[in-house]
Amino acid sequence: QKEVEQNSGPLSVPEGAIASLNCTYSDRGSQSFFWYRQYSGKSPELIMFIYSNGDKEDGRFTAQLNKASQYVSLLIRDSQPSDSATYLCALRMDSSYKLIFGSGTRLLVRP
Amino acid sequence: EAQVTQNPRYLITVTGKKLTVTCSQNMNHEYMSWYRQDPGLGLRQIYYSMNVEVTDKGDVPEGYKVSRKEKRNFPLILESPSPNQTSLYFCASSLTGTVSYNEQFFGPGTRLTVL
Repeated sequence: QKEVEQNSGPLSVPEGAIASLNCTYSDRGSQSFFWYRQYSGKSPELIMFIYSNGDKEDGRFTAQLNKASQYVSLLIRDSQPSDSATYLCALRMDSSYKLIFGSGTRLLVRP
Repeated sequence: EAQVTQNPRYLITVTGKKLTVTCSQNMNHEYMSWYRQDPGLGLRQIYYSMNVEVTDKGDVPEGYKVSRKEKRNFPLILESPSPNQTSLYFCASSLTGTVSYNEQFFGPGTRLTVL
């Protein structure tokens, strides 16, 4: 089993809808979780990080973490065509210096 | 402007011809890392460096070398490239590697093709 699992998609939503992206992980020692957005041919850029159970909101983005169930999700409200990209979930354990990435979910927002 | 730069951005080479991909950051970051990205496999760490003269292997270090002689630079060396090293390479840096939520800043990427 991969350490970080994401559905590759594409996830297609209409403009203005809520896009829900999910990520599950296997190691209960995982402490910090990150969502990166990557446009085609470009480098990843950090959208949000979360390390406490519950929700964390930043503008149109909400990250949700449930350590008991070992999943982290990203909600994008009022989705825009410019949100069309691949979203990478990553985690870091306090005992390790490295980020472990999922393979990403491709999001398509239809005008 | 705070940034991570990589050169070259695109490279086509032949099997066995040594090459170096440079990475430089101007943010005084201690931690630097190299990743490769392949379709369906996500980003995989090749090597990382906690500080000058401190480097360690990531998940896929075979066929690669790195050095960290200066804080700002972290070159990736392929002594004898092979076609299975054809990939998109990213360099990244962060303030420290040990603080869990420190953001990693990524360079623009180097697309390498080994024939």
